[in-house]
Amino acid sequence: GENVEQHPSTLSVQEGDSAVIKCTYSDSASNYFPWYKQELGKGPQLIIDIRSNVGEKKDQRIAVTLNKTAKHFSLHITETQPEDSAVYFCAASNKSGFQKLVFGTGTRLLVSP
Amino acid sequence: DTAVSQTPKYLVTQMGNDKSIKCEQNLGHDTMYWYKQDSKKFLKIMFSYNNKELIINETVPNRFSPKSPDKAHLNLHINSLELGDSAVYFCASSQVIGGNSPLHFGNGTRLTVT
Repeated sequence: GENVEQHPSTLSVQEGDSAVIKCTYSDSASNYFPWYKQELGKGPQLIIDIRSNVGEKKDQRIAVTLNKTAKHFSLHITETQPEDSAVYFCAASNKSGFQKLVFGTGTRLLVSP
Repeated sequence: DTAVSQTPKYLVTQMGNDKSIKCEQNLGHDTMYWYKQDSKKFLKIMFSYNNKELIINETVPNRFSPKSPDKAHLNLHINSLELGDSAVYFCASSQVIGGNSPLHFGNGTRLTVT
């Protein structure tokens, strides 16, 4: 089955810096890669996703890149703000059969003012 | 309006008890899920239902029994609670089955077994 590894487990940056979180996956059939943000006491919320027919996707300060050959994908947050502080999860799933998202282990991002 | 709502938010109980968590979604989605998040924040799928039918059952002890009375509701009943069941349980829903579409999560139920 699919296995998703995520690094780093914690990331501390200064406000205005960029943050990068990286994930690798094991199943070459995986073709959907969402990123979720989880704030304290809340459920994960989708912030951006990418499908395997696209190499990069951007939404304002957030971008995701996908390298299918190397089986890794990354989340890039530019001009970080204190409200970006949260736990971020990457995930992967494939389209064969019913969707079963496999999540990474999470990255705790702390943005200091 | 809360899209995916779970009750209760907190649940503290003793070993051996039976408890239920309720979930409702008002997004009109056909598919609902239960995920478990352990103390290390690891998220793992437990069950998936599509239009009241069980689709995914991930090696979960049969003390856990999901029930979907209709496609907008998915409840989780847990028998004979054990210390290791302490976790945060998230309900989620999605629009498309057999494809890939975003999951919408509730805010979780923190279960503490003492």
